[in-house]
Amino acid sequence: KAGVTQTPRYLIKTRGQQVTLSCSPISGHRSVSWYQQTPGQGLQFLFEYFSETQRNKGNFPGRFSGRQFSNSRSEMNVSTLELGDSALYLCASSSGLLADTQYFGPGTRLTVL
Amino acid sequence: QKEVEQDPGPLSVPEGAIVSLNCTYSNSAFQYFMWYRQYSRKGPELLMYTYSSGNKEDGRFTAQVDKSSKYISLFIRDSQPSDSATYLCAMREGNTGNQFYFGTGTSLTVIP
Repeated sequence: KAGVTQTPRYLIKTRGQQVTLSCSPISGHRSVSWYQQTPGQGLQFLFEYFSETQRNKGNFPGRFSGRQFSNSRSEMNVSTLELGDSALYLCASSSGLLADTQYFGPGTRLTVL
Repeated sequence: QKEVEQDPGPLSVPEGAIVSLNCTYSNSAFQYFMWYRQYSRKGPELLMYTYSSGNKEDGRFTAQVDKSSKYISLFIRDSQPSDSATYLCAMREGNTGNQFYFGTGTSLTVIP
């Protein structure tokens, strides 16, 4: 089975721009979660989508948004980028069922200048 | 107080040592417990997955859960330089759709 894929792997943007990151989950998985990882804060939960609906949401400002398509692929968008948004953005895939766990993609490293 | 607390280290041990990594948590409703390994500039990979209390062994790795103390551990026997990575604990409640909660990770270096 192919793993979780994320594109692009690296991204450099400037303050004020917006960015869209993409995640393709493991085939058959219906849940996609997004996390922001920084050295100081560790993994911070952004949101989770299950069957095209946002099921959980973390404590991030509205500049961070996401969506999920009918094929379970998900996108995350960050508008009006700030320097503090520089981080590794990780996508995690799961079946969404009770006893399942999450499998992570390689991440997209975003640098905001 | 954070839901999950994990000592960030760094932890440095000689090759062959037994390593103990730990997390504590505050939510007694957590029932599923995981350990992930993350190499530098890579995504976390699942190492161990346990349900409720008890031990689980997989090769050189043993995961322990003590729900009465709200404490989980990962033991690595005969540590190797290839074990050098950041180890993250994670947990979630027992209902479908519940969020996963992660520790901040412990950085481990195994010295040859």
